[in-house]
Amino acid sequence: DAKTTQPTSMDCAEGRAANLPCNHSTISGNEYVYWYRQIHSQGPQYIIHGLKNNETNEMASLIITEDRKSSTLILPHATLRDTAVYYCIVRVSNYKLSFGAGTTVTVRA
Amino acid sequence: DAMVIQNPRYQVTQFGKPVTLSCSQTLNHNVMYWYQQKSSQAPKLLFHYYDKDFNNEADTPDNFQSRRPNTSFCFLDIRSPGLGDAAMYLCATSRGTDQPQHFGDGTRLSIL
Repeated sequence: DAKTTQPTSMDCAEGRAANLPCNHSTISGNEYVYWYRQIHSQGPQYIIHGLKNNETNEMASLIITEDRKSSTLILPHATLRDTAVYYCIVRVSNYKLSFGAGTTVTVRA
Repeated sequence: DAMVIQNPRYQVTQFGKPVTLSCSQTLNHNVMYWYQQKSSQAPKLLFHYYDKDFNNEADTPDNFQSRRPNTSFCFLDIRSPGLGDAAMYLCATSRGTDQPQHFGDGTRLSIL
């Protein structure tokens, strides 16, 4: 699996967009980019995934660069309930998610 | 409308006393997973079932076993818990291995 690099932590103001970067410079052509988050004392929650096209769902948008070496998860209007650890995972299939350290996102009022 | 249910949320057992954690799902997914998450660490896959086929991760200790009597239920058995097994245990399901995983809220296991 390709290795991912994420910032350790970031703060975001409530109501503003949160942009979470992820570097995956060794990604191969058939590897997807998955994003999960884990709110304190809960299990991880699937957010979104993509291969090379940008993706959007009711939770977030995923922007993948043309060379696929990095991506950005966008939470369009962050709320206090979005405070969580966000994991960027790159792999061929959804089986055996290899969670890294993730980014601890704190949304402040 | 909880979809992956883990009971209990908190479990306390004694050192060396066998313990069983349970997971049930209402999604009718054919794949079920067990992860271990120690304090301040990321979840780590222990094993998974694809239908009735059991797949153990290479570094999962022999102390950990699992049963899946039917599609809806999966159990994690720890035969002789040690202090190092204190952790959150997470169950997840997916429809096949190429679909997103849905997690329960975990069982936090404490060892006395």
